[in-house]
Formats: sequence, C-alpha cells, structure tokens
Amino acid sequence: SQTIHQWPATLVQPVGSPLSLECTVEGTSNPNLYWYRQAAGRGLQLLFYSVGIGQISSEVPQNLSASRPQDRQFILSSKKLLLSDSGFYLCAWSHAGTSVIYEQFFGPGTRLTVL
Amino acid sequence: QKEVEQDPGPLSVPEGAIVSLNCTYSNSAFQYFMWYRQYSRKGPELLMYTYSSGNKEDGRFTAQVDKSSKYISLFIRDSQPSDSATYLCAMTGYYSFNKFYFGSGTKLNVKP
Repeated sequence: SQTIHQWPATLVQPVGSPLSLECTVEGTSNPNLYWYRQAAGRGLQLLFYSVGIGQISSEVPQNLSASRPQDRQFILSSKKLLLSDSGFYLCAWSHAGTSVIYEQFFGPGTRLTVL
Repeated sequence: QKEVEQDPGPLSVPEGAIVSLNCTYSNSAFQYFMWYRQYSRKGPELLMYTYSSGNKEDGRFTAQVDKSSKYISLFIRDSQPSDSATYLCAMTGYYSFNKFYFGSGTKLNVKP
C-alpha cells in the first residue's frame, strides 16, 4: 500500500529565516505531487504541483519554491520566511495523469508558525 | 466566481441525525468527485470517490452527484460524535487531471 510522509510535523521559525519542508511517498512510482497551504479556517490553496522529476508548476507567485530531486520526493523551500507564510502545509500525491485512478491522497501536514 | 462553492457552516446536529453536506461547481468538465474528512490539525482523509453522475454508498456514507445541476452531496446517516470534523469536497476532470479543485470545507459538530 502507498504511504506519504511529511516532516517536520511542527516548526516555529523567525521572520527572515530559511525553510525546507520534505515530503516522500512510498509504494507507488511516478506519482503527481502537490504542495498545498491551508490557513486557519480556510480552504486549500494549491502552491505547486509536479508531474515528474525536475518538473514544477507554480500556482501562486510568492517567496516559496519547490523542487523534486527524486521521483517520490518533493521539497518546499524558502530563502526568507514572511509572517504571512504561517499555515498548515500539506503534501499530496495522485496517480499519473495517464492512470484511470484520479483520487488524491494527503500527508499528515506540517504546521508552520513564523514569528 | 470560484470553481467550487461549499457552505462553510458550522453545522451542528444531535447524535443520530442525518447530515447533508453539499457543493456546487461551475466547470462542466469535472467528472471525478471526492469527499474528504479532516480532523483538527490533521491531513485530509479520503472518504468517498465517485465518477460522473449517480450515487455511491459506503456504510453510513452516501455520495451523490448530479452533473446536470453541477451539484454534489454527501449524506451521513446515524451521525456520531466521531464524525465531528471538517468535510471538504474536491473534483477534477479528464482535461485537468493534474489539478484538483477543492471547496473551502464545512465544519460539522455532532453533539452527544
């Protein structure tokens, strides 16, 4: 069966510090990978998605970036955090677009607080 | 106009009640519809998945899709306090399979 991991689970960072959040998927190959942000009491905001190694699509221009160095690894980064970057960050995966299975599965999330 | 609209609630019901959660959407290309349950401070958990129009039942949960009205529903029978969570609808289509569109979530509270 497939599992998705995220770490760290919780992070408190000062404004202006760098960020690196990691997501890995097990039990599947060539997944589509996604980063979402969920602000308190609000819906999911898609930040980035990737259909393959090195292929990143950005949905919202901001001070965050994403990379996919390996097939099942997705990293969210920032060089300098802003207060507005606080939120609950969720990684998700789905089967590749040529599959007939279209569900999306989420990781446990990382709660980021920028002070 | 948002792609997907969902009443944010909160919705408060007594234990044992039938709960109806709904979403409307604007893109007629959507064909795949999902419902997620999200407990506080946790990642969303996939509850139900349906393709095109019709009903799908899984235990106390029934998902319903009406593509002609661009309207989807999730019914919970015999609701339990453990059903208290935020419920998110999501959808995608054959021509947008790389992206999923989410409602903002409905917060449900089932009172013992």
